[in-house]
Amino acid sequence: AQSVTQPDIHITVSEGASLELRCNYSYGATPYLFWYVQSPGQGLQLLLKYFSGDTLVQGIKGFEAEFKRSQSSFNLRKPSVHWSDAAEYFCAVGTHTGGFKTIFGAGTRLFVKA
Amino acid sequence: DAGVIQSPRHEVTEMGQEVTLRCKPISGHNSLFWYRQTMMRGLELLIYFNNNVPIDDSGMPEDRFSAKMPNASFSTLKIQPSEPRDSAVYFCASSPQPGQGNSYEQYFGPGTRLTVT
Repeated sequence: AQSVTQPDIHITVSEGASLELRCNYSYGATPYLFWYVQSPGQGLQLLLKYFSGDTLVQGIKGFEAEFKRSQSSFNLRKPSVHWSDAAEYFCAVGTHTGGFKTIFGAGTRLFVKA
Repeated sequence: DAGVIQSPRHEVTEMGQEVTLRCKPISGHNSLFWYRQTMMRGLELLIYFNNNVPIDDSGMPEDRFSAKMPNASFSTLKIQPSEPRDSAVYFCASSPQPGQGNSYEQYFGPGTRLTVT
């Protein structure tokens, strides 16, 4: 069955430091992979996606993610975190089973300290 | 574009009452999703529609929950009767037609925070 694992429930980084959020997926075929961000009191917003091609994808707000098939991973990175990046981040995999739907991970909450 | 619109934004009701949540997807999108988010269970897919037809309702927790999409611009999620354990934030999301550049991306509404006392 398809699944997404985000091993870190929460992460704290200092402003200006680099960030990496981990994501592992389980899917039999070539996956469609996504990262979404949720700020407090709001819905989820797409940061970036991977469908095919270059395994390093760029997204909004300076985020990037790298697809590694051998590790079944799609980790999210940002070289320098800003206080406004504090939010919850969801990794997701898209599946084609009777239509297209998205399976979300449990999320990683990012705290940014000054 | 106004984005996905949900109403009400907040709902407080008593156990046993009927609750109806409403969603207007982005114009031109042909898929619509209802999610529930809680601290304990995270983000759960309840049901999704494609071209107004329910495709997968396996996430609907019980018969107390029902969803409809009478046309491409409107959907409802109804809980009857409501129970305290239904308290959560309910999100509606829509997605464009496959084959378009941004297909498979989901656009989320702001959510409805439901409290059942």
